[in-house]
Parts: sequence; structure tokens; C-alpha cells
Amino acid sequence: QQQVKQSPQSLIVQKGGISIINCAYENTAFDYFPWYQQFPGKGPALLIAIRPDVSEKKEGRFTISFNKSAKQFSLHIMDSQPGDSATYFCAATVSGNTPLVFGKGTRLSVIA
Amino acid sequence: NAGVTQTPKFQVLKTGQSMTLQCAQDMNHEYMSWYRQDPGMGLRLIHYSVGAGITDQGEVPNGYNVSRSTTEDFPLRLLSAAPSQTSVYFCASSPSGAGKLFFGEGSRLTVL
Repeated sequence: QQQVKQSPQSLIVQKGGISIINCAYENTAFDYFPWYQQFPGKGPALLIAIRPDVSEKKEGRFTISFNKSAKQFSLHIMDSQPGDSATYFCAATVSGNTPLVFGKGTRLSVIA
Repeated sequence: NAGVTQTPKFQVLKTGQSMTLQCAQDMNHEYMSWYRQDPGMGLRLIHYSVGAGITDQGEVPNGYNVSRSTTEDFPLRLLSAAPSQTSVYFCASSPSGAGKLFFGEGSRLTVL
């Protein structure tokens, strides 16, 4: 039973373009939505996170957009660079010790 | 700063053998967890612990045991390895709840 659905599975973007990855969730109790970035041969690392009391959070070229009524959130990477090529995972949890539930991941390739 | 250390990085087992994947963190995190990563399946939770002496099952616990005798260590034991357990295993810890995970670099296990 997958509680967080992520799309697309893979994405190819031109250098300088905008990368968009989408996630949808079912559990309305979720109140923390992080994104993780994973480079080949490495463990995932926290990239950016949002709580449902705001509709958008921006950190540098990375922005999370959150739509509580639609139960969807997305990651936007502006001015995408080859160094952004990685696998991105969205996740969700209820604050506290409830384990994170991950989406299945999106492999992003940024080509020059 | 060591962070989360996993050993071994690579291991090949024969069906039926047992082994232990080691995980140690030096950040005094209470929450620790084990995930497995398989192509197209994302990160699936095996077991987690909210503190020394406390463990609980995740999404895919069968065939694995854990214990948490100290805050620092959270070993994962494979009781009788099966080819279906061929995967990359990640240990992760968090300073507060389950959301802000710090991952190790992974242990790649092949079961023949």
C-alpha cells in the first residue's frame, strides 16, 4: 500500500530549464513533507522540507509547492544544472516518531 | 564528523547464510532506522527504533532482526539469506522524530 505516489519515474531536462517532480498523498494526518536527493553510490540527503501551514517554500533554486486541498506537493528546480542530476524522493510523515513514507523516486538527468 | 557509518559496504552471501549489517552513529540521535532500496521500489522501511531498548517493524520486516542495546548502534541481522534480500541497505538516524533523516552510504548485499 503506497501512501505517497511520485511522478514521473524519470525526467530529462535541458541545462537552464525547470525540473518539476510531483507527489500525491492520501493520509490527511501527514504534516511534514521532505524531499531527499540521492547521488549514485551515496545515501539520500535531506534537500528541503515543508509543513502544510504554508503553500510554498524556497531555498535557492529549489522550491516546494504545496496544495493541501488536492493533497499534492511538488519540487521545482529552477535553472537546472548537470550537477542536479540525481534521484529525488518525496516523503511524508506525521510529526514525532512515525516513520517516513517515501515515494518511489524520480531519476533526473540534466543535459547540456 | 563520522555521522552514520555502515559496514560492510559490499557483501556476497550464499542462500541460507546469516550475517549482520552494522550501523553506528555518533550524533546521539534517538531515532534510527533501516531501509532497503530496490530498483523501481524506492526506499522501504525494514525496522526502526525510537531509542535504546525499543524497536518496531516497518513495511518489510520478514527475514530481518534488529536490536538496540545502545543509542549509537543499530545492527540489522539476516537470519537465513535469500536471493530476494539482494538489495542496497541504508541505515538512517534522526535527531528529532523520524522526519529529518541522516543516511549512511549504504551496504550493497548480493545473495546467490
